[in-house]
Order: sequence, then C-alpha cells, then structure tokens
Amino acid sequence: ETGVTQTPRHLVMGMTNKKSLKCEQHLGHNAMYWYKQSAKKPLELMFVYNFKEQTENNSVPSRFSPECPNSSHLFLHLHTLQPEDSALYLCASSPRDRDNYGYTFGSGTRLTVV
Amino acid sequence: AQSVTQLGSHVSVSEGALVLLRCNYSSSVPPYLFWYVQYPNQGLQLLLKYTTGATLVKGINGFEAEFKKSETSFHLTKPSAHMSDAAEYFCAVRTLTSNTGKLIFGQGTTLQVKP
Repeated sequence: ETGVTQTPRHLVMGMTNKKSLKCEQHLGHNAMYWYKQSAKKPLELMFVYNFKEQTENNSVPSRFSPECPNSSHLFLHLHTLQPEDSALYLCASSPRDRDNYGYTFGSGTRLTVV
Repeated sequence: AQSVTQLGSHVSVSEGALVLLRCNYSSSVPPYLFWYVQYPNQGLQLLLKYTTGATLVKGINGFEAEFKKSETSFHLTKPSAHMSDAAEYFCAVRTLTSNTGKLIFGQGTTLQVKP
C-alpha cells in the first residue's frame, strides 16, 4: 500500500472514447502531480496542483484535462486520444510545505489507445 | 536551474557483484537529493534521500548513497546485487527556491542483474 491509489490499473480505449483516470491520497498531502511515462523516454511532468489550484501545465494537449476537486483527489479526463498517448500515467503527491519529503507515487494506470 | 544527470542508461552486473549507479546534479543552492526505484508496471518507490546531516545515507534493500558536494554527485551503491534488484532507478533533486517545490528527475538507469 503506497498511500496513493490510482484506478483503473489498466485501460484500453479507442480514439473516440472519453475516459477518466482517478488518483486518491489520504496522506494529508496538498500537492499532486500527473506524470506520463512512455517506453524509452524520461518521466514527463504534465500537471502540478497545489492546494487544489493548478500551478503548472507543461504544454499538455487539450485532449488531456485535469481536475482537482479537493486536495485528496486528482482526475485526468481523456478524450479523442492518439495512439502515441499510450503510456503509463503516474500520479504523485507531496506535502507542499516540506521540501525534504519527496513524492509518494501511485502504481500508475497503463493506458493503451487503439 | 536545477538538473540531474544519470550516467549510463543501462547497467548490467552479475548477481553478488557491486552495484554502482551514477548521479550528478546541478544546483545553485544546497539540494535535497533522492533515489527512487521502479519495478515493471509499478510506480516509483523511494529508496533513500539526503536532506541534511550525514552525507552517507542508507536506504531500503541494502542500498546506500553518498552526497559529495565537491563532486556534485549522489551515486547509489549496493555491495552485493540480488536478482530482485533488477529495475529502473531514478535520481532526483528538489529545488529549495521554487515556489512549486517540484522534483527534477534524471533520465533513469535500468539495472540488469545476471545470474
């Protein structure tokens, strides 16, 4: 149990589908992150949320839409994806006011776009 | 700006041999440094971290790392590799000045352990 739970673990979707990834943490953290991890590529930071407010969007295409309704939950809404969006999507959280803490990661959602 | 460089994207060792994974960082202020491990189809798990104090830090699974300020390095070592150590390893630095406090990750090193 990592403290950060991601659902679903695996997702296969067509290019015209709409789906959502969910991330939940009950560690009392107030910063949450979405990362994309593709084969043979480094970790790509997509979005950062601090105290429910989006503080960073790293030029992510609009077909990815994040939502953070509270400090414990983070969603990534997906629509009209492309095959190159197939990847492992990782959620992480951290206490915003403790720089020596590091991140706690979820197990990820393996997304396949067909 | 902070950055992390992991030397060698792929390292192969024999079971029982020394593991050495290299990490160099760039930071204009004292850094916080981290090593994470990722097993296939899993998230990243914290192995160890350096914040302040003793420069040799011990982590889980017998790993340790030494912070060397003069060399701007934070190499990860383990005296004797086990088959279960085969995984992807990430070095990361956390900025102390950014108002988002985010981690900067290296490119990752894949460790292969041969029987």
